[in-house]
Amino acid sequence: EPEVTQTPSHQVTQMGQEVILRCVPISNHLYFYWYRQILGQKVEFLVSFYNNEISEKSEIFDDQFSVERPDGSNFTLKIRSTKLEDSAMYFCASKVAVGPGEQYFGPGTRLTVT
Amino acid sequence: SQQGEEDPQALSIQEGENATMNCSYKTSINNLQWYRQNSGRGLVHLILIRSNEREKHSGRLRVTLDTSKKSSSLLITASRAADTASYFCATDANDYKLSFGAGTTVTVRA
Repeated sequence: EPEVTQTPSHQVTQMGQEVILRCVPISNHLYFYWYRQILGQKVEFLVSFYNNEISEKSEIFDDQFSVERPDGSNFTLKIRSTKLEDSAMYFCASKVAVGPGEQYFGPGTRLTVT
Repeated sequence: SQQGEEDPQALSIQEGENATMNCSYKTSINNLQWYRQNSGRGLVHLILIRSNEREKHSGRLRVTLDTSKKSSSLLITASRAADTASYFCATDANDYKLSFGAGTTVTVRA
C-alpha cells in the first residue's frame, strides 16, 4: 500500500541552525501539508501546498519557515534559524485531490533543538 | 476557533468493553475526521463523516455527527488491547487544512 515517507526520523540541531525536513508524498496525490505536534500537545496545522504554491498557512508558519517541492517526488520544510520552541514532531501529509478526503500522514520527524 | 475538543481526555476500559469519546467544535465544517495515534507514531485515518451525514460505520467503529450541536462521537465496540492509542477528531472547514483536538487517550486493559 502506498505511504507517505519522511526523513530523517529524528533530527537534533543547535539553536540558530537551519534544518530541512524531507517528505515523499504518495505519488498521485496533489495536496501536501505540514503539521507539527509539540510533545503532549495537539497536532497543529502549519501549511498546505497545491500546484506549486502555498494554499494556506497558519500563524506559526512565519518567515523562518518555507516549503518547496524541488522535484516530482519530494516535499520539504525548511526552518532557517531554529529556536528551542521549534522542538516538536513534524508530520507531512498528502491528499489525492480537492474536496473532502482523507489526509495520509507520514510517520513524522522528531526535531530536537538544543 | 475551528478546533475540535475531545472528551474525555483519558479513558481506561477492559478488553471487550465499548469505548465512547466525544468531540465538540465551534464553527461550520465540511467534514469531520477521526484519527488514531499510537505512542510516538504517525496519525492513522479512521473515518470521515461529511457534514450532511449523521452516522457512519467502519468495522468496529461508529461515528455520529450532530451539526446542530457541533459535536461528534466515536464508538469503538468490543475493544481490544491493540486499540490502545490516542484518538483525535479533526475538522475540515475548507479542504485546505485539518484542525485537531487535544485527543482522548484510550487504554484497553487485558
